[in-house]
Amino acid sequence: RKEVEQDPGPFNVPEGATVAFNCTYSNSASQSFFWYRQDCRKEPKLLMSVYSSGNEDGRFTAQLNRASQYISLLIRDSKLSDSATYLCVVNSNNDMRFGAGTRLTVKP
Amino acid sequence: GAVVSQHPSWVICKSGTSVKIECRSLDFQATTMFWYRQFPKQSLMLMATSNEGSKATYEQGVEKDKFLINHASLTLSTLTVTSAHPEDSSFYICSARGHNEQFFGPGTRLTVL
Repeated sequence: RKEVEQDPGPFNVPEGATVAFNCTYSNSASQSFFWYRQDCRKEPKLLMSVYSSGNEDGRFTAQLNRASQYISLLIRDSKLSDSATYLCVVNSNNDMRFGAGTRLTVKP
Repeated sequence: GAVVSQHPSWVICKSGTSVKIECRSLDFQATTMFWYRQFPKQSLMLMATSNEGSKATYEQGVEKDKFLINHASLTLSTLTVTSAHPEDSSFYICSARGHNEQFFGPGTRLTVL
């Protein structure tokens, strides 16, 4: 089993759609969780951290369920500029493990 | 925010040559830096953890004699791909932890002919 698994995608959605990405992780001792965004041929950039209480940043909402070892990212009212690959990242003792990424394409 | 730079941003070399990639944390000190490799349409794979003043810790399956890592100062880590072959062609990304966040360099695209 992979350490971090994500929906394989790709997700192709129209502008304005709501899209959800899921991620599961295998290490129950993992301490912190993140969603990163990676544009084509660029480095990943932090989108948001994920907390057990859930957190929201504008159109983006992240949720963590430690019992199920599950992380989610919800994007509302998607924009063309949201097109990218979204990486689920799990940190255990400063060892960050990346999911394979889910590619999102938002179309006009 | 914190910035991590990499140099060069891209390199093309002949098979058998060695290539050195530099990773610098520009406005913070990083006792630990990480080197990743990403093949097309695949995830970032951690190659090694670079510790300032000590030997790097390599992930299983990564040859330490082929991928030489030096972390001589708190702001600089280098990765040298020795005797590069076409299968080493990839996107190499370093990252450093600072201000409670992991920052990534812009990556180095290596093409070995």
